[in-house]
Amino acid sequence: AQSVTQLDSQVPVFEEAPVELRCNYSSSVSVYLFWYVQYPNQGLQLLLKYLSGSTLVKGINGFEAEFNKSQTSFHLRKPSVHISDTAEYFCAVCHTNAGKSTFGDGTTLTVKP
Amino acid sequence: GAGVSQTPSNKVTEKGKYVELRCDPISGHTALYWYRQSLGQGPEFLIYFQGTGAADDSGLPNDRFFAVRPEGSVSTLKIQRTERGDSAVYLCASSPPGVSYNEQFFGPGTRLTVL
Repeated sequence: AQSVTQLDSQVPVFEEAPVELRCNYSSSVSVYLFWYVQYPNQGLQLLLKYLSGSTLVKGINGFEAEFNKSQTSFHLRKPSVHISDTAEYFCAVCHTNAGKSTFGDGTTLTVKP
Repeated sequence: GAGVSQTPSNKVTEKGKYVELRCDPISGHTALYWYRQSLGQGPEFLIYFQGTGAADDSGLPNDRFFAVRPEGSVSTLKIQRTERGDSAVYLCASSPPGVSYNEQFFGPGTRLTVL
């Protein structure tokens, strides 16, 4: 079985400040890792994914995440946020041999001017 | 190109009624997933199709829930004898063939409200 814990339900930050959204996972087998963003009244959009190889993954909109196997973490970072980054962010894991993904409960990022 | 579409976008029904939710995946995508997202929570897996067959239906909460994909494209999620606890946003996603990972493209969802 897999589980995902997003450690912060809400993260308020000021515009142009750096941000980190934390994600820890639990799995007894190899997994793929994903971050999705959900803007109000829109569907989930893939930000970035870790499949294998380099542990630092770069995604869209200036986001990046680092896979840490020993700490079973996949934290999302952005060095300077914009108002338009305000959204719900979901971390997800997927067993490498299965179709379904397991999602965390989300982190609401609010960027203030 | 066109993304995953879901209809209706909103559905209000009364307790005990039957509902059908439709998902049109991206053309050519062979895998299709249904998730349910309750308020304040992340999406919760319901069922996964590979082609016409259900490869994994372990997330369906009980036998009131059923999904079909008869021609390997459009899928319908069917809920019988709806209960207030079924109120949620139902998300559909699809994946292309021939990839070693399961990148899923999500639709906008159907918001189901059971009164």
